[in-house]
This record gives sequence, C-alpha cells and structure tokens, in this order.
Amino acid sequence: DIQMTQSPSSLSASVGDRVTITCRASQSISSYLNWYHQKPGKAPKLLIYDASTLQSGDPSRFSGSGSGTDFTLTISSLQPEDFATYYCQQSYSTPYTFGQGTRLEIK
Amino acid sequence: QITLKESGPTLVKPTQTLTLTCTFSGFSLSTSGVGVGWIRQPPGKALEWLALIYWNDDKRYSPSLKSRLTITKDTSKNQVVLTMTNMDPVDTATYYCAHLVGADFDYWGQGTLVTVSS
Repeated sequence: DIQMTQSPSSLSASVGDRVTITCRASQSISSYLNWYHQKPGKAPKLLIYDASTLQSGDPSRFSGSGSGTDFTLTISSLQPEDFATYYCQQSYSTPYTFGQGTRLEIK
Repeated sequence: QITLKESGPTLVKPTQTLTLTCTFSGFSLSTSGVGVGWIRQPPGKALEWLALIYWNDDKRYSPSLKSRLTITKDTSKNQVVLTMTNMDPVDTATYYCAHLVGADFDYWGQGTLVTVSS
C-alpha cells in the first residue's frame, strides 16, 4: 500500500493568513493526488484533484501543487468557512489511501 | 444532480455481518468510467478507503479487509451493496459511499454511523 503522510496534524491560524499543508507519499504517485475538506459532522468534499486542478465552484484562494512524492495545499487568505479538516488521497493505485488529516483551527 | 444515500443498521453485534446499501441518482453505473466506492471514518479519526466497484464490474478491496468485504451492484435499482463479515467494535464508524470518476470521489453520501456493540 502507498502510505500518505500529512503535516502538520493540526494548525492554528487567523482569518486572512496564508496556510500551507503538505502531503508526502511513500512512493511516486505522479500527479495522482486529491485534496478533500471536511467540516464536523459532514461528509468530505473534493477540493482539488490531479494535484492542482480546483474542483468546479471552489474558490481560487485554494491551490495545489506538487508531483512525485511531495504535494502542498495552499490557502492564500483564510476565510472563516475554511476552518475544517483537510485530507489528501492518492489516486494512483488501489487501495486509494488517505492521509491522516490536518485539522485547521481558528487562532 | 448526483446524490447518494447510505442505508443499513445503526447497531450490529460483534461477529455479525453488516450489509450497507448505497442508493444513488443522477448517474448510471453502466456508464463507462463511473464507479461507486465505500469509505469509513471511526469517530474522531481519519478516512479509510474500503472498496469500490466500476461500471464494468471491476471490484477493488482494501487488502487489510479484503477477506471480510464484498461489493456488488444492481444497475437497474441504482444501488451498490457492501457487506462486511465478522464485525468487531473497532469497525464502529461512519460509513460513506461516494461517486467515482476514475479514482476521484467527487460526490459523497451523508454517511451512516454504524456502532458495533453487544
């Protein structure tokens, strides 16, 4: 199985901050990397696919980059609705493993 | 508009078999490239991918759970069924089904919490 490791596990930030979350794969996955966000009590939502393609309807303050084993999710200016847990997921080969999550909290 | 909804028991006893049904609308599981997957999330923990089935009946399972899982589809009813045998309290989780194009879970159900307890 491909292991996905996110850092940090949790992060405190303020509205307007620029935030970066990283995800590392245990082997190369090319650009087969998705990002999801999840609010408490809700299902996850696909945010970015293929490492850098923003899902339709999601705001442009979210961006993704990376290829191979190292990936980042950046939020350029945090908004109140962005406080959630973020997960990466490799879509290179089954099992399509998820990272352990990054909880983004309000400072 | 794509929607999915999970249904099944909220409480199962240890050693029992869990059967969950995902009923969907807005797409057909006979369309090339389309799939439905199952993902679970224990309370306060991370997401865990379980299984998926594609339009061509290609089935994939989590290696760690493969011996306990079976996934099937009924295209005419727009349903996907996941069975998990020999349930244990560690299997207590919210179980989600999700629509797949390729390997991207782009639409999710609301999830159903399954508790395993005697």
